[in-house]
Amino acid sequence: ENVLTQSPGTLSLSPGERGTLSCWASQSVSNDYLAWYQQKPGQAPRLLIYAASSRATGIPDRFRGSGSGTDFTLTISRLEPEDFAVYYCQQYGSSPYTFGQGTKLEIK
Amino acid sequence: QVQLQESGPGLVKPSQTLSLTCSVSGGSISSGGYYWSWVRQPAGKGLEWIGRISAGGSTNYNPSLKSRVTISVDTSKNHFSLKLRSVTAADTAVYYCARDGGYTSSLTDWGQGTLVTVSS
Repeated sequence: ENVLTQSPGTLSLSPGERGTLSCWASQSVSNDYLAWYQQKPGQAPRLLIYAASSRATGIPDRFRGSGSGTDFTLTISRLEPEDFAVYYCQQYGSSPYTFGQGTKLEIK
Repeated sequence: QVQLQESGPGLVKPSQTLSLTCSVSGGSISSGGYYWSWVRQPAGKGLEWIGRISAGGSTNYNPSLKSRVTISVDTSKNHFSLKLRSVTAADTAVYYCARDGGYTSSLTDWGQGTLVTVSS
């Protein structure tokens, strides 16, 4: 299976700053089928980005996905208070789908 | 907007079978060519994909669970189901169902999740 590794484990930033989250795959992700999810405590994950760079319906444009092959990045341009959460990457180019271990974005 | 709701027992004894149902509203489970997935999350840990099913009954399972898992669909009731056999404490988790757009968009819509505890 394609193992995804996220970095950093925890990112401490202030509102208004730029956040950069990384996701590395052990094998090339087929067709760059890489998604990003946001999860807040007690809630289900919410799809932010699919196909590496396409924003899901209703997702603000401050969220941007980039990358290809084995290296992917989620950038949040100006952090809003509601953006502090855990973020997961997921590949769906091959079965089984796999998720990274998550990056916790916390308020500094 | 499609909505998904998980239901089933919150407590299962070790060695027994965990059974959950995901009811879909706001759209037909048979339309749009979607798959329907199950994902679980132990407390304080990450997400694990369990498997998925199409409206036509085609399934894909995570090899780590394949020997114990069955996912089925009932289009007449607009729901799909998960059965996990021979459970242990390691199967204690929040279980989510999700609409799976496959290559077009992955897991677009999720249920709220249901906690299943395996304990005697």
